[in-house]
Amino acid sequence: GDSVTQMEGPVTLSEEAFLTINCTYTATGYPSLFWYVQYPGEGLQLLLKATKADDKGSNKGFEATYRKETTSFHLEKGSVQVSDSAVYFCALSDRAGGTSYGKLTFGQGTILTVHP
Amino acid sequence: EAQVTQNPRYLITVTGKKLTVTCSQNMNHEYMSWYRQDPGLGLRQIYYSMNVEVTDKGDVPEGYKVSRKEKRNFPLILESPSPNQTSLYFCASIRTIPSTDTQYFGPGTRLTVL
Repeated sequence: GDSVTQMEGPVTLSEEAFLTINCTYTATGYPSLFWYVQYPGEGLQLLLKATKADDKGSNKGFEATYRKETTSFHLEKGSVQVSDSAVYFCALSDRAGGTSYGKLTFGQGTILTVHP
Repeated sequence: EAQVTQNPRYLITVTGKKLTVTCSQNMNHEYMSWYRQDPGLGLRQIYYSMNVEVTDKGDVPEGYKVSRKEKRNFPLILESPSPNQTSLYFCASIRTIPSTDTQYFGPGTRLTVL
């Protein structure tokens, strides 16, 4: 079945540091890939997405590129801020899954803490 | 405003006392689902519904029931809650006709079963 593996956390960085959170996936079809963010005490928000190989999703300074050859979708940001402290989830939606279409398969989440 | 609402937001209950968590969306989406979030496990799908009167099990359905009598509502029912159902629950919806990739999440319901 489908699965998503994220790098183990938590990740602690100083403000303006470079961020990478690794994400790899296994899927039977041609999935769409997502990064969701969960700020403390809040629900999930879509951060960015990519729907086909080599697509780059970007939002709020974050980027991730859909790499089919390495089955990866790593999240990067050049200069993090304290306000980026949150839990980040990588996820996929397998469009070829028949009745499973619409289901999101999530990674375990990575806690990011950014210090001033 | 497009939104998914859940109620209640917080609930503390005791083992065996039936409860229902409501979920409603105002976007006329066909597909709705319930997830539970547990530390170190991410979010796992409990049940989903492709449309009115069409529901099916997700990855962790044991101990839960759902119904979809109207397109906008998708309640989650715990007939006899147990402590291992203490978790953070999210309802979500997505348009599938025509398809999009944007899934909308509710604000979450934090459930504690004593």
